[in-house]
Amino acid sequence: QVQLVQSGAEVKKPGASVKVSCKASGYTFTSYYMHWVRQAPGQGLEWMGIINPSGGSTSYAQKLQGRVTMTRDTSTSTVYMELSSLRSEDTAVYYCARENDHWFDPWGQGTLVTVSS
Amino acid sequence: QSALTQPASVSGSPGQSITISCTGTSSDVGSYNLVSWYQQHPGKAPKLMIYEGSKRPSGVSNRFSGSKSGNTASLTISGLQAEDEADYYCCSYAGSSPVFGGGTKLTVL
Repeated sequence: QVQLVQSGAEVKKPGASVKVSCKASGYTFTSYYMHWVRQAPGQGLEWMGIINPSGGSTSYAQKLQGRVTMTRDTSTSTVYMELSSLRSEDTAVYYCARENDHWFDPWGQGTLVTVSS
Repeated sequence: QSALTQPASVSGSPGQSITISCTGTSSDVGSYNLVSWYQQHPGKAPKLMIYEGSKRPSGVSNRFSGSKSGNTASLTISGLQAEDEADYYCCSYAGSSPVFGGGTKLTVL
């Protein structure tokens, strides 16, 4: 079945970077765009950006421009999201989600990133 | 883009029907038939419930339905059950980027 499996929880200090992975299985990796969405504690969903696994092109939310980088490795069917210059407001659960023509299904299980000194 | 507007909370008794609204603008909800709805239980990832405004994925109960009128989309849950208690998020597109609603907490009394 189609599945997205993310890497484990991370604890980082302010100013550091974090890289979260999302391994896809059960479908042709390069045929579907992948999005990253985050959710701060007790808050709603925030779109972060999109990557085309086929060519690697990306588009990011304006708010995160310059701090977020999304990449992919077609040999392992894995997408990555790296966020730099971390601050406390970046503490959140980070999700990858496969796009199917403007809707998202499935979602990864989520990765908690905690930014704390 | 600004988040889509949803009520913070709604509630209903088992067996009743409830509707969650999602209000956007003519640039997002009103422009496209691309509204999707997601259910999220505590500590879990969101789950797709409705796509393209009113379509249900395989495996989603027909108690869930979606509609749209102008700049407002709606999710209706009929025959409320205890397991429907969760947070619900709408999502639309504004140009090439998705935008989410702020979320609605559904309480089954």
